[in-house]
Amino acid sequence: NAGVTQTPKFRVLKTGQSMTLLCAQDMNHEYMYWYRQDPGMGLRLIHYSVGEGTTAKGEVPDGYNVSRLKKQNFLLGLESAAPSQTSVYFCASSYRLAGGPNEQFFGPGTRLTVL
Amino acid sequence: KQEVTQIPAALSVPEGENLVLNCSFTDSAIYNLQWFRQDPGKGLTSLLLIQSSQREQTSGRLNASLDKSSGRSTLYIAASQPGDSATYLCAPEGNEKLTFGTGTRLTIIP
Repeated sequence: NAGVTQTPKFRVLKTGQSMTLLCAQDMNHEYMYWYRQDPGMGLRLIHYSVGEGTTAKGEVPDGYNVSRLKKQNFLLGLESAAPSQTSVYFCASSYRLAGGPNEQFFGPGTRLTVL
Repeated sequence: KQEVTQIPAALSVPEGENLVLNCSFTDSAIYNLQWFRQDPGKGLTSLLLIQSSQREQTSGRLNASLDKSSGRSTLYIAASQPGDSATYLCAPEGNEKLTFGTGTRLTIIP
């Protein structure tokens, strides 16, 4: 099992460029999440999905779009990158048994710099 | 809105000591609370998950407790080792979403 993988690991963009971050999981998890981590602010939820074909906004969704066309993949898009989007992006996935815990498993992160 | 505080922000202790990391949260209506460790430049590794019906959870030298009514959780690390050096994050879950604290950066001195 690879767990949660993220592509790419590093990326440098110029202001206004677009890109897509890919998250893949092989654990058959229903739920997937995108977070960003900035110094002194902790991890903040950008968007999440509770199943294939569904997406929902998190705490900081502006400037990002997501898609969950396949259960195992969750894509995060930046249509017009801004320096404020310089951050480390983490993807996570989880399962939830009825009435049970929702343990999240994280990928290794993507370090994005917007110049 | 859930707010999570972790104190202290940084902690250095000699190898072999037992230590406690603290986490407090403002909204007690949570389902679970998860503790993670994060090594520099790496992702998060899940350490323990405490369900709302539980008071504590143990894994090896780690023990986490949860007091929902007071909005507190503690992570106890026994017989600390240099390999325990990392940032420790707590994250209560409400409405299928985790809210993270800014973590405690732990350094174990050999």
